Amino acid sequence: DVKVTQSSRYLVKRTGEKVFLECVQDMDHENMFWYRQDPGLGLRLIYFSYDVKMKEKGDIPEGYSVSREKKERFSLILESASTNQTSMYLCASSYRRTNEKLFFGSGTQLSVL
Amino acid sequence: DAKTTQPPSMDCAEGRAANLPCNHSTISGNEYVYWYRQIHSQGPQYIIHGLKNNETNEMASLIITEDRKSSTLILPHATLRDTAVYYCIVRVAKTGGFGNEKLTFGTGTRLTIIP
Repeated sequence: DVKVTQSSRYLVKRTGEKVFLECVQDMDHENMFWYRQDPGLGLRLIYFSYDVKMKEKGDIPEGYSVSREKKERFSLILESASTNQTSMYLCASSYRRTNEKLFFGSGTQLSVL
Repeated sequence: DAKTTQPPSMDCAEGRAANLPCNHSTISGNEYVYWYRQIHSQGPQYIIHGLKNNETNEMASLIITEDRKSSTLILPHATLRDTAVYYCIVRVAKTGGFGNEKLTFGTGTRLTIIP
């Protein structure tokens, strides 16, 4: 079975801190994605990557950056965390072939105080 | 990608068929319909997808109307473990180059299976 692993299930940080959220997949997927999920707003795409060192902005990239140095790992970076970045963060991956399904991790609940 | 409309919530009795509707009246000819679900405290899980023909797999059936403006996800014998939020998504099928770069999720339908 495909496994998408997010480094932390719960994370508490302070305003202004630099935060790293890590995601690792074990299926040699080309595509990787970061979403955030908030009540009443559904899932919103932050960034995605279709290859090593490649990245594309999603719908809400402001305040975030990403890093993809290795194919299996996709990191989401909050340069200076703010309280409005308190959210559930979900990582996903997929093959690049057309119409392939996404596999999601279990999520990281980030609280910024 | 086309926008979808789903009811915010539905109930279904355990053991009965759960029929979840989705309206996608602006769908284009090259857009697929995808269904995912999200059980509490987990990431979304792929269920099924289709273009114009009805599809069935071990989890569910997908019925797409002839004009493709709406679809229905059917869980034939709902169990308590099917309680989840169900997302209907339409997305352009890429024929070359990069594949499914992004999938846009709405707020879905919260399905509750009643014992």
